[in-house]
Amino acid sequence: KAGVTQTPRYLIKTRGQQVTLSCSPISGHRSVSWYQQTPGQGLQFLFEYFSETQRNKGNFPGRFSGRQFSNSRSEMNVSTLELGDSALYLCASSLGRLSSYNEQFFGPGTRLTVL
Amino acid sequence: GENVEQHPSTLSVQEGDSAVIKCTYSDSASNYFPWYKQELGKRPQLIIDIRSNVGEKKDQRIAVTLNKTAKHFSLHITETQPEDSAVYFCAPRKGEGYSTLTFGKGTMLLVSP
Repeated sequence: KAGVTQTPRYLIKTRGQQVTLSCSPISGHRSVSWYQQTPGQGLQFLFEYFSETQRNKGNFPGRFSGRQFSNSRSEMNVSTLELGDSALYLCASSLGRLSSYNEQFFGPGTRLTVL
Repeated sequence: GENVEQHPSTLSVQEGDSAVIKCTYSDSASNYFPWYKQELGKRPQLIIDIRSNVGEKKDQRIAVTLNKTAKHFSLHITETQPEDSAVYFCAPRKGEGYSTLTFGKGTMLLVSP
């Protein structure tokens, strides 16, 4: 089975712009979660999508949003970018919801740099 | 929300030694306790997990122990090898009704040959 894929792998944006990141889960997986990873804050949970609905959300401002399509692929959008949004954005897929002890498989991440 | 602390933040050992990383959590409703390994430049990978109805689980050189009363669980690596060098994260979580997911800040393990 192909693993979780993320596109693009690297992205450079300037402050005030917006960005859309994409995540394709493992075939058959219905849950996609997104995380922000920075040296200072570590891994932080953004949100989880399951069956095209956001199920849980971390403590991030409304500038961070996402969606999931009927084929379980997910996108994450960050509007009005700030310097502090520079990070590695990871997505992870699992067969079922995180609340059901399902193992998560991470993608390689998208490295976002905001100048 | 869940308060998760990991200790130590950095751990240096000689090849062949044992390593222990501890994760302390605050939410007594947590019932699933995974450990992830992230090598430099790579994605996190689940290496072992335990559920609240089990006190210990082993998989070759790695093991996880759980103390629900004290609200902590630990990762044990025996006979460490240079390829064990990585950052290890814990991420305790509960089942239905949880609203977010909290990772520990990570422990950088360095195994010297």
